[in-house]
Amino acid sequence: DAKTTQPPSMDCAEGRAANLPCNHSTISGNEYVYWYRQIHSQGPQYIIHGLKNNETNEMASLIITEDRKSSTLILPHATLRDTAVYYCIVRVAGVNRDDKIIFGKGTRLHILP
Amino acid sequence: DSGVTQTPKHLITATGQRVTLRCSPRSGDLSVYWYQQSLDQGLQFLIQYYNGEERAKGNILERFSAQQFPDLHSELNLSSLELGDSALYFCASSLIRPSGNTIYFGEGSWLTVV
Repeated sequence: DAKTTQPPSMDCAEGRAANLPCNHSTISGNEYVYWYRQIHSQGPQYIIHGLKNNETNEMASLIITEDRKSSTLILPHATLRDTAVYYCIVRVAGVNRDDKIIFGKGTRLHILP
Repeated sequence: DSGVTQTPKHLITATGQRVTLRCSPRSGDLSVYWYQQSLDQGLQFLIQYYNGEERAKGNILERFSAQQFPDLHSELNLSSLELGDSALYFCASSLIRPSGNTIYFGEGSWLTVV
């Protein structure tokens, strides 16, 4: 079973910041938080990941709370092309590990023109 | 472009037949994963290989099998196909590092069983 809880759907106006929340209250100390998205019927696309510090890349920012029990993915200026299902995943990663991704239902983000 | 290549992109076959889906991982990636996504369904993990050996198994049917070859490409074999096997099949790959690894997905193979 997925170890995260996400709202099933969200709307965001084009050009505004999209803030997608994720709860992972049972996260272990060696588990990372990963975010992926899937645009309709395309392969899941990696967005960003982090362990405990906030992270930023060209696509998004990831804010992880100090207790690591929740996180927020921020798309700073959402466009129509950001309409997708967003998955928050916690997983162990590293050598000698079963590190597959177990996908939950994710959040269906609609960007409104 | 994730660097993971899957062939064929589309495949239509009849019930009872057998098909093979092929995956070329990103250069240098040792781990390969297979997922199934049926219409309006979630992404279901099937199986993972690491450097030629099976690492983890999910809800993969006995009619399905996979392998990873010495050149690290992988094949997913689906036999005695049923209508319900119609789905998108994704392959993914990663290079496992102690500091964490990112899994990258291909664009999938659409299988239609008629």
